[in-house]
Amino acid sequence: RKEVEQDPGPFNVPEGATVAFNCTYSNSASQSFFWYRQDCRKEPKLLMSVYSSGNEDGRFTAQLNRASQYISLLIRDSKLSDSATYLCVVPDSGSARQLTFGSGTQLTVLP
Amino acid sequence: NAGVTQTPKFRVLKTGQSMTLLCAQDMNHEYMYWYRQDPGMGLRLIHYSVGEGTTAKGEVPDGYNVSRLKKQNFLLGLESAAPSQTSVYFCASSYRGPVNEQYFGPGTRLTVT
Repeated sequence: RKEVEQDPGPFNVPEGATVAFNCTYSNSASQSFFWYRQDCRKEPKLLMSVYSSGNEDGRFTAQLNRASQYISLLIRDSKLSDSATYLCVVPDSGSARQLTFGSGTQLTVLP
Repeated sequence: NAGVTQTPKFRVLKTGQSMTLLCAQDMNHEYMYWYRQDPGMGLRLIHYSVGEGTTAKGEVPDGYNVSRLKKQNFLLGLESAAPSQTSVYFCASSYRGPVNEQYFGPGTRLTVT
């Protein structure tokens, strides 16, 4: 099993829609998780950190299910500016000093 | 604050040539990282550093060397470039370990012909 797996998409949704992405991970000892956002041909930027059961920031909600080893990202009331690739990130199972990045889920919000 | 900067932004190399990519950060971060990103794959860690004068191997270190002589700079060297090293290279830094937010540079697009 890969360390981090994400549905690559693409997800094409209309403006105002609610969309959710899932990410599964293999490192059962992980305590912290992250969602990064990467715009086309740009660098990744931190969107949210998840340390317990979940985290909410405006239209964005991240939830953690430790039993099933997945985290999800929910985006409500999608905006055109939400179009990007969303990267799921978890600590590496072999080293606490490294992170493992998923290959990303591509989202396009359509007018 | 400039954050994390990378030099150069683009480069084309011939097989066998060498080059150095420079990363600089002005946030006084302890940790610095070099990643490569290829289509359909996540960011993969090449090398990292937990402080001035230290370096360690990541997931894909072969063919690369690094140095961190100054806290603010992290250099990535390709001794003999190969077409398989065609990629986008990102440098990142974080205050302490990886559980702190990683700040990325704008990337270097490298093509090896």
